[in-house]
Amino acid sequence: QVQLVESGGGVVQPGGSLRLSCAASAIHPMDWVRQAPGKGLEWVAFIQSDGNIKSYAASVRGRFTISRDNSKNTLYLQMDSLRTEDAAVYYCAVGESYAFKYWGQGTLVTVSS
Amino acid sequence: QTVVTQEPSFSVSPGGTITLTCGLNSGSVSTNYYPSWYQQTPGQAPRTLIYSTNTRSSGVPDRFSGSILGNKAALTITGAQAEDESDYYCVLYMGNYIWLFGGGTKLTVL
Repeated sequence: QVQLVESGGGVVQPGGSLRLSCAASAIHPMDWVRQAPGKGLEWVAFIQSDGNIKSYAASVRGRFTISRDNSKNTLYLQMDSLRTEDAAVYYCAVGESYAFKYWGQGTLVTVSS
Repeated sequence: QTVVTQEPSFSVSPGGTITLTCGLNSGSVSTNYYPSWYQQTPGQAPRTLIYSTNTRSSGVPDRFSGSILGNKAALTITGAQAEDESDYYCVLYMGNYIWLFGGGTKLTVL
């Protein structure tokens, strides 16, 4: 069973930046998925195991950057130019078989002045 | 703009059978979209139920099954139980490492 632990959430002002981390028990392709309060799930970004392939949802492309440090088994999401609509619980997930196989418990990001 | 469609809400009686669907606003869903399904209760992380159309994730009861019905992906719960009351989300793989979630279905068991 893969263990995933997110961290780094918090309160940030609009236009600000935040970096989320996800500690994993092994190296896998990984995704970030978010859920705004009272809303549905939204896929945010993907990164291949070796970090060579990255992709983003249109809503975050150009503002968010996914990366990983395999020496630390850690996934990151650098979020810049944050907007109020980016406020959400952010989950990291293992991507396998074109699905999200394992999920972390999430970290809350609040964007407010 | 491509939209993945799901029924906003559904209700089922305990012991009953229900089929939730996952479609596209333009086009048909096929196995090439690798549809997957997730269950989420309030305040909890999602739980993976089905991936690659019809493969149950480890530990998922066999009352949950996935398929393609007509031009949509489908999640069928056979013999619904009270604990199945949750939100259910489908995801479609759109190619080029892009995924789209449906809006979710709120299932009530009563």
